[in-house]
Amino acid sequence: QVQLVQSGAEVKKPGSSVKVSCKASGGTFSSYAISWVRQAPGQGLEWMGRIIPILGIANYAQKFQGRVTITADKSTSTAYMELSSLRSEDTAVYYCARQYGDPAPFDYWGQGTLVTVSS
Amino acid sequence: EIVLTQSPGTLSLSPGERATLSCRASQSVSSSYLAWYQQKPGQAPRLLIYGASSRATGIPDRFSGSGSGTDFTLTISRLEPEDFAVYYCQQYGSSPHVTFGQGTKVEIK
Repeated sequence: QVQLVQSGAEVKKPGSSVKVSCKASGGTFSSYAISWVRQAPGQGLEWMGRIIPILGIANYAQKFQGRVTITADKSTSTAYMELSSLRSEDTAVYYCARQYGDPAPFDYWGQGTLVTVSS
Repeated sequence: EIVLTQSPGTLSLSPGERATLSCRASQSVSSSYLAWYQQKPGQAPRLLIYGASSRATGIPDRFSGSGSGTDFTLTISRLEPEDFAVYYCQQYGSSPHVTFGQGTKVEIK
């Protein structure tokens, strides 16, 4: 059974950066893609980008290009999402999700990490 | 970018009733790579339907998906109390770039 376990909630100042982790268990980490999706309070789902660990290649939504970096550590089966130059509008729950295959839907999700940006 | 528009925004129904949710794409969705997710408050989304009409593992058969091209539908044949939630459609055919609809809330009437 695949499980994605994310790091805990964060409170950050405007202009700083945050790095959220997503540790996978079950399945073969390198053989699937991990996407990051965020959800602002009371809002819908927004795809930010993804990585295929076996290739080490990341793709980003245009909106976040230059501000988000997605990486993966195959040795620990952990994916990371770092978002820089934080502003209040980045306050959201950030989810990681697995795609098994390409193209593929998101079949497993992490529990979500609340990032609050406040001065 | 493919834009997905869901309707209605909110659906007010009673348990036992049939729910019909719509998702319209701004351009044709490649090979029906369209998924539906259910999200309850404080929880991560859960995959219900993929490939427009295939149920994900463990999803009850009261959930069904249909459609192709630009018009897709999620139908819940008889609403159970646990089905009241927000539903999102997603296209994943323009991989790696995926997009979500804005969601439809199914609430108890």
